[in-house]
Amino acid sequence: DGGITQSPKYLFRKEGQNVTLSCEQNLNHDAMYWYRQDPGQGLRLIYYSQIVNDFQKGDIAEGYSVSREKKESFPLTVTSAQKNPTAFYLCASRAGGLWPQHFGDGTRLSIL
Amino acid sequence: RKEVEQDPGPFNVPEGATVAFNCTYSNSASQSFFWYRQDCRKEPKLLMSVYSSGNEDGRFTAQLNRASQYISLLIRDSKLSDSATYLCVVNPRGATGFQKLVFGTGTRLLVSP
Repeated sequence: DGGITQSPKYLFRKEGQNVTLSCEQNLNHDAMYWYRQDPGQGLRLIYYSQIVNDFQKGDIAEGYSVSREKKESFPLTVTSAQKNPTAFYLCASRAGGLWPQHFGDGTRLSIL
Repeated sequence: RKEVEQDPGPFNVPEGATVAFNCTYSNSASQSFFWYRQDCRKEPKLLMSVYSSGNEDGRFTAQLNRASQYISLLIRDSKLSDSATYLCVVNPRGATGFQKLVFGTGTRLLVSP
């Protein structure tokens, strides 16, 4: 089955700890995206990547980092600099141009 | 003005009703438009793309009005399972490249028995 896999489904972070959220896609899409969603709120773009080894900051990149070493993978690290990390994190990919995005089923991050 | 604006609702309708949502966008150069559905605590899922000629899929009809810069979603014969948040999504810069899509904050629909 083609799709986007996010892991883990739930993640807990301790104070001062960096955590990494995984996102893998087998759709052969060039573009990948990370969003954050707070309860009752809309999606906010954290980072996106249009091609391997390249990525751009979204609207709320502070306290986050990403890498894009392979086309299939776009991991997101939530660093200790992100003081309010509790949220629902969604990864998406897109074939580009006029095509829509497809989402993984998300990771819920909470603070211990 | 926000790039994409939606009425947050909620829209409360009885089963069997017809309900319509509108979404306005600010960039007249926008080329592609989509409606997504998001259930509580789940990821958004593509409901339908919106074409210039309109698009119909069963009980759902999406239309684009470029002159007034809005898209609409019509749901006929509402089912309880249609209860969800409906997100309007716009590609603001046209067909080339992988520019980020812009998501509306969503319209919540509650269908009651």
